Amino acid sequence: KAGVTQTPRYLIKTRGQQVTLSCSPISGHRSVSWYQQTPGQGLQFLFEYFSETQRNKGNFPGRFSGRQFSNSRSEMNVSTLELGDSALYLCASSLPTLGPSSGNTIYFGEGSWLTVV
Amino acid sequence: AQSVSQHNHHVILSEAASLELGCNYSYGGTVNLFWYVQYPGQHLQLLLKYFSGDPLVKGIKGFEAEFIKSKFSFNLRKPSVQWSDTAEYFCAPRGSSNTGKLIFGQGTTLQVKP
Repeated sequence: KAGVTQTPRYLIKTRGQQVTLSCSPISGHRSVSWYQQTPGQGLQFLFEYFSETQRNKGNFPGRFSGRQFSNSRSEMNVSTLELGDSALYLCASSLPTLGPSSGNTIYFGEGSWLTVV
Repeated sequence: AQSVSQHNHHVILSEAASLELGCNYSYGGTVNLFWYVQYPGQHLQLLLKYFSGDPLVKGIKGFEAEFIKSKFSFNLRKPSVQWSDTAEYFCAPRGSSNTGKLIFGQGTTLQVKP
């Protein structure tokens, strides 16, 4: 079955602009999370959406936002781009779970490479 | 606060050498544990996971990890590495609320010399 799909794969933006990244989770997965990966900070959690509601949020400024649609697809938006926002943005999806011991695996997409110039 | 620490940032081994990458975490309550691998130019892939039960878990490509609750550790091992194991390895615990929120370690870059 198809994996987590992210679009666009590569993009270049100018400081001050905004960007929207899209993620289609694995079929049946209702949880979608977003991560930022940079050489200096590593992998950092941005936020998670489940059933169209934000369930968790990382320590990023309000310029970073997201949403989830009824079909579980998700978008994240970064407004007023800064040079430091240049990064690989990863989307991940997972199934709902039945309890703390049942667990669920989180699957990652290939990411969207954002360069801010 | 939740945190994770990977002991080795850069490891260089020769083929056939044994590998052990350390991971310690700080979490309250039940925790799920993951190791992910990122091969050059590729996306994150799951190596193995621990949710409950047998603390020794086996993953893909001959990797295994042992969960030691008393030491808050989840070290990754492989008896004999191959050149194709060259990659970056991430330890990632998750709280038992089963959300999509992983806290990643800083990663360990493994370079295997042929």
